[in-house]
Amino acid sequence: KQEVTQIPAALSVPEGENLVLNCSFTDSAIYNLQWFRQDPGKGLTSLLLIQSSQREQTSGRLNASLDKSSGRSTLYIAASQPGDSATYLCAVSRDAGNMLTFGGGTRLMVKP
Amino acid sequence: DVKVTQSSRYLVKRTGEKVFLECVQDMDHENMFWYRQDPGLGLRLIYFSYDVKMKEKGDIPEGYSVSREKKERFSLILESASTNQTSMYLCASSGTSPVPLHFGNGTRLTVT
Repeated sequence: KQEVTQIPAALSVPEGENLVLNCSFTDSAIYNLQWFRQDPGKGLTSLLLIQSSQREQTSGRLNASLDKSSGRSTLYIAASQPGDSATYLCAVSRDAGNMLTFGGGTRLMVKP
Repeated sequence: DVKVTQSSRYLVKRTGEKVFLECVQDMDHENMFWYRQDPGLGLRLIYFSYDVKMKEKGDIPEGYSVSREKKERFSLILESASTNQTSMYLCASSGTSPVPLHFGNGTRLTVT
């Protein structure tokens, strides 16, 4: 059974820092990996999707990488801002049906 | 923009009641999902559907059922609500992968 782990569970950084969030998964037979953001009491917002054949995806200040063989992904946030404060979740899909298995999330606090 | 609408943000129900959680998406998506989110347990898949009148069990279907009579609407039913079903319920939809999931804002259900 696929298991997804995110480390650290919580992170606090000063504004302007570059930071890396980690995600690992136990079964490398994935179809895609997705990163989401969740604000308190709200639903999830999609940030990036990396297909299993890709190594990375970029959107603005966000860059996600995927090393499928080692079961790892990282989300890099450049020049962090207080508005980046949220919980970040990664999830993997085993097929095109998009049925996702989620990690527990990293709660990020960016201090002004 | 894709919109996934969950009918209620907050619900309070009594033990033993039959509870309906409604979800509607406006993008003609084939795939729809119901997750629950609990502290320390993360997001767990309850049921999903890849087409009208079709449903598949997720990881934790016990105590729940679903209905998908129209493509845009996916309902989660708690046949006899119990206190251990107090949780945040999140609905999501997507087209055929590789496209991201789109989530509603969630329904926080309290069963007393």
